[in-house]
Amino acid sequence: QVQLQQWGAGLLKPSETLSLTCAVYGGSLSGYYWTWIRQSPGGGLEWIGEINHSEAPDYNPSFKSRVTISFDKSKNHFSLKLISVTAADSGIYYCARGENLKQLLFVYWGQGTLVTVSS
Amino acid sequence: DIVMTQSPDSLAVSLGERATIHCKSSQSVLHSSNNKNYLGWYQQKPGQTPKLLIYWASTRESGVPDRFSGSGSGTDFTLTISSLQAEDVAVYYCQQYYVTPRTFGQGTKVEIK
Repeated sequence: QVQLQQWGAGLLKPSETLSLTCAVYGGSLSGYYWTWIRQSPGGGLEWIGEINHSEAPDYNPSFKSRVTISFDKSKNHFSLKLISVTAADSGIYYCARGENLKQLLFVYWGQGTLVTVSS
Repeated sequence: DIVMTQSPDSLAVSLGERATIHCKSSQSVLHSSNNKNYLGWYQQKPGQTPKLLIYWASTRESGVPDRFSGSGSGTDFTLTISSLQAEDVAVYYCQQYYVTPRTFGQGTKVEIK
């Protein structure tokens, strides 16, 4: 059974860098799309970006200049970095993955990390 | 970006009654190469992560009760709960996976009347 476990700093000041890691248990990184999603305090879900087995990331243009998604295959992790955060970046961040015919959907989810940006 | 618009934003339905949620995409998510609609539905209960219910617009995920059904094609889609149960209280989201950025509807909150 695939499990995603994520961690990272939950309280940031404006202009700092958000850094989250998602560890994959019960499966390898290869062969799937690995995604980060943000849920705003109002509940809306926003796709931040994804990285696939060929390690070519694809980012939401809303974040493109600030975001980096990468693999650490030796540790079976993938990570999110978002620079120059503001209060608008507050929310719950999830890592997620699809499966088989549902590669581009989100079947497995991390537990979520609540990120608050405040001075 | 493809904009996904759900209606209504919330609805209250009596136990055992039908709940219907609509999702409209700003452009078609029907892929001509395989005639599949790249549209999924998720359920998010309070304090939980979203759960995939439906993919390809009408295929139920394994383990999802058959009171949940999806329909539609092109730009207009519907999620129907045929007989609402107490455990169905949640927010429901549609999502297109036709192109990136993958986008979600704003969510529909379903409550018991």
